[in-house]
Amino acid sequence: SQQGEEDPQALSIQEGENATMNCSYKTSINNLQWYRQNSGRGLVHLILIRSNEREKHSGRLRVTLDTSKKSSSLLITASRAADTASYFCATDGSYGKLTFGQGTILTVHP
Amino acid sequence: DVKVTQSSRYLVKRTGEKVFLECVQDMDHENMFWYRQDPGLGLRLIYFSYDVKMKEKGDIPEGYSVSREKKERFSLILESASTNQTSMYLCASSLWYTNTGELFFGEGSRLTVL
Repeated sequence: SQQGEEDPQALSIQEGENATMNCSYKTSINNLQWYRQNSGRGLVHLILIRSNEREKHSGRLRVTLDTSKKSSSLLITASRAADTASYFCATDGSYGKLTFGQGTILTVHP
Repeated sequence: DVKVTQSSRYLVKRTGEKVFLECVQDMDHENMFWYRQDPGLGLRLIYFSYDVKMKEKGDIPEGYSVSREKKERFSLILESASTNQTSMYLCASSLWYTNTGELFFGEGSRLTVL
């Protein structure tokens, strides 16, 4: 069952611009996580935001969570070509399981 | 540094063959997971294990089995590989099942079944 749905499916920007990706989910959560995947590689954890938090920052990343709308957004500021990757949101479940969305493919042009 | 190691990055097998995908983590994590990733479908959970010799079905367990004889090792088994099992397989681990935290992923195993 797909819990998180990312939007847009693909995003193409120039270096230096900001990139915003959105995630919507269906059921209540304890936390929501964002992951990054470089082409053909495994996923790497970026940031976790708990249900009682509204905003969290990590370096050039800013994540917001709106539990009333069941949505989250990931903002990457001053993007670089090295940020080119797929980005996934994931919501928690029982036994430590995570359910992933289909991802947003971000391309940053130099 | 935390590490999840998948034994093979690329495999090519024939229909009907038995396939073993091995995953080892060095973090003493309780939870281990197998996902498959397909274009347009995202990551889907096949099986997970929250302790040695314990396993639970995920969303798409059909055609797969798993083995966890030791805490650090979680194997995915395709008893009789079929072409629709051609996919990227991702192993992950996390600390414990009572608190959903960060998942640590391996680099993935890309399986092609001919």
